[in-house]
Amino acid sequence: EPEVTQTPSHQVTQMGQEVILRCVPISNHLYFYWYRQILGQKVEFLVSFYNNEISEKSEIFDDQFSVERPDGSNFTLKIRSTKLEDSAMYFCASSGWDRGETQYFGPGTRLLVL
Amino acid sequence: DAKTTQPNSMESNEEEPVHLPCNHSTISGTDYIHWYRQLPSQGPEYVIHGLTSNVNNRMASLAIAEDRKSSTLILHRATLRDAAVYYCILRDLIIQGAQKLVFGQGTRLTINP
Repeated sequence: EPEVTQTPSHQVTQMGQEVILRCVPISNHLYFYWYRQILGQKVEFLVSFYNNEISEKSEIFDDQFSVERPDGSNFTLKIRSTKLEDSAMYFCASSGWDRGETQYFGPGTRLLVL
Repeated sequence: DAKTTQPNSMESNEEEPVHLPCNHSTISGTDYIHWYRQLPSQGPEYVIHGLTSNVNNRMASLAIAEDRKSSTLILHRATLRDAAVYYCILRDLIIQGAQKLVFGQGTRLTINP
């Protein structure tokens, strides 16, 4: 069964550093998402992406965040200058074109900002 | 976004059926009812979805009330691997394309051996 993959599984960084989280969505999917989950809290939507542009973003997704689909298979989330509060599990998801289509989530990247 | 209400936690025994309720009294006529679950240390995972009729798949069944203001996810024979947080989420049928999932706190299901 096709699956969403994410790398790295864990990332430790210093405050103020840039990080790039990578995702490979399911190959025939068209819609891509990033969510995050701070330890012990709800899963929160960050951004959705379609046709090489952002469809929707949450208030969390400020100017420090950016997304890109650089080569038609990878989907990346960049945090330019990490803060302590960016420490969380980041999940990538993808979905197909049907209305009500389900989203398939990757295993997540655990980001720790020190 | 239309809201759903679920119990914070439920407990059941292995190999017994589990009924996980969800209230969505403000559901609109075009909202699908989706269920996802999140196993420990994993990403959310799709379980099932429906619109009006009851639905079955290999993982679970979804029973939808006639007025659609509530639904119940049924695990027919729970195993220890079903211990997870279960989320009931409404998604609009009309909106095409990328549509975010809005997760609540969900129901934490504990399965006793």
